[in-house]
Amino acid sequence: KAGVTQTPRYLIKTRGQQVTLSCSPISGHRSVSWYQQTPGQGLQFLFEYFSETQRNKGNFPGRFSGRQFSNSRSEMNVSTLELGDSALYLCASSPRTGGTEAFFGQGTRLTVV
Amino acid sequence: QKEVEQNSGPLSVPEGAIASLNCTYSDRGSQSFFWYRQYSGKSPELIMFIYSNGDKEDGRFTAQLNKASQYVSLLIRDSQPSDSATYLCAVNILPSGRGSTLGRLYFGRGTQLTVWP
Repeated sequence: KAGVTQTPRYLIKTRGQQVTLSCSPISGHRSVSWYQQTPGQGLQFLFEYFSETQRNKGNFPGRFSGRQFSNSRSEMNVSTLELGDSALYLCASSPRTGGTEAFFGQGTRLTVV
Repeated sequence: QKEVEQNSGPLSVPEGAIASLNCTYSDRGSQSFFWYRQYSGKSPELIMFIYSNGDKEDGRFTAQLNKASQYVSLLIRDSQPSDSATYLCAVNILPSGRGSTLGRLYFGRGTQLTVWP
């Protein structure tokens, strides 16, 4: 069974630009959650999508948005990038919503310069 | 109080010793508890989950849950240098004040473990 696939793996963007990250969950999993990880803050929850609906949202500004498609693939978008957005962005796939076991992709390392 | 708290460490143990990692959580209604291992530069990997009070063993790993005291721990027996990583505790918690009936996973900041030869 294929794992969680995130693309791209690495990204360098300029301040003010926008970026879209992609996540394909494990086949059959309908929940996708996104996290931001930085050395100082640990894993910070961004949002969760289940059956194309946002089920939970963390405390991030509106520049961070996401969506989920009918095949459960999800995208995360960050607009007007700031230097502080440099981080590892992780996608986690779960079979159900409600805080069940989550399986992480390899992450996208975003660097904003 | 944070939803999930862990000692940040670092925790350093010699090879062959037992490493004990602890985690406390805030929501008495939590039902699912998970331990993840994260090597430097890699993504978190699920290594254990526990739902019921008591111990659950899987190879060299034992997860212990005490819902009355709201803590969960992970014991690593016969620790190996390859166990050196950051261990994250995750608990399903119902977000407060959101009117939602669905919980989500909350992660601790992680405990850095070093096993020296």
